[in-house]
Order: sequence, then structure tokens, then C-alpha cells
Amino acid sequence: AQSVAQPEDQVKVAEGNPLTVKCTYSVSGNPYLFWYVQYPNRGLQFLLKYITGDNLVKGSYGFEAEFNKSQTSFHLKKPSALVSDSALYFCAVRDDTGGFKTIFGAGTRLFVKA
Amino acid sequence: GAGVSQTPSNKVTEKGKYVELRCDPISGHTALYWYRQSLGQGPEFLIYFQGTGAADDSGLPNDRFFAVRPEGSVSTLKIQRTERGDSAVYLCASSLRGGQGYTFGSGTRLTVV
Repeated sequence: AQSVAQPEDQVKVAEGNPLTVKCTYSVSGNPYLFWYVQYPNRGLQFLLKYITGDNLVKGSYGFEAEFNKSQTSFHLKKPSALVSDSALYFCAVRDDTGGFKTIFGAGTRLFVKA
Repeated sequence: GAGVSQTPSNKVTEKGKYVELRCDPISGHTALYWYRQSLGQGPEFLIYFQGTGAADDSGLPNDRFFAVRPEGSVSTLKIQRTERGDSAVYLCASSLRGGQGYTFGSGTRLTVV
């Protein structure tokens, strides 16, 4: 069975500083990993995904994520945070054993202060 | 359409009533998913359609929940004998094919009173 954990309920950073939102996962086979963002009063938006290939994945709005197989992690990063990045971020995972059920984490709320 | 459309955006119903929630995916997207999201939690998987068939319905909580996608496009999530615990935001998502990143709709907020 697959699972995903986001160990931080919230992350606070100052504008211009780098940000990291953490995610760890557990799957039976190889992982397919995703990050989504939810802005207030708006639907979930896809940010980026890791399927195979380079461990560093680049996505929308300047975000990137690093896949680390040995640590079973897929942390979301951005070199320089913007106030407009403040939102709820969800990590998601499914495995490659044939199903398409994608499991979401509980979410991490990011606060970027000016 | 340009995005995933869900109707209604809000639904208030009395305990015990039947409700239908509609999802109109992006044109050409063969994969369609239903999730529900309770306050303070991540989306919880309910069911996945590939075309007209339910490829994985393991997330449906009980037999009061049922979903259809008869023509491989619009899907309807049906909830019988609603309970207060069914109150949540029901999200629909679609993708070009299974396994890719999803495009989510804005959701239907269901409140059972």
C-alpha cells in the first residue's frame, strides 16, 4: 500500500529566502510523485511530477523538487520565495504496479512574509 | 471545455436525502477521478474512470456511494441516504490518460444538515 507524509503542518519563510516543503513516501513498486498547490478559494493546481529520469524536477512558478530514492523523499523547493507563493501544498504519490490511485498528503501551509 | 467543470458549486441537503454531483472533464481526457476533501485534510481518493469503466473504485466508502460515466465524458457521483459525515468538498479531476498530473475542478461543497 502506498502512503505519503508531510511532516510539517506549516512552513514560514521571509520573501526572498529559499523555501523547502518536505514530503516522504512509501510505495510497493517504483514511485510516481506529484506536487499540487491550492490557493485560497481556488482549485488544486498541478505543479510538477517525477516519473523517471533526472532526480531534480522543475515545475511551474519556479518550483522544483528533488527525488531521493534512498531517503524516500520528494521535497519541494524554490530558491527565492514570493509572498504570492503563500498557499497550501500537497504532495501525492502512486506506484507503478498498475493502479492509478494517487494518494495525497495532508498538506503543508506555506506562509511567505514580506 | 477549457477546464474541469463541477456543478453545483455548493449543495445543502437534509440527512437521508439523495444527491448527485456532476463533473464535466476537459475534452479528450480519458481519465477521470473523484476525490473528497474534508477540512484540514488532503484529498481522499474515491474512484477512477478510464473511459466509461470504473478502473478502481476501492476508495468509495460504502455502498451509498456510486459513480457513473456512461459516455466516457461527463461523470456523476451519486450519494444515497446522505449522512452528516458525508459533508466535504467533492473534487473531480481529469487527465489525458491515467497516471499523469491531474487538472482539478473547483469542487462541490456538500453540506448535509
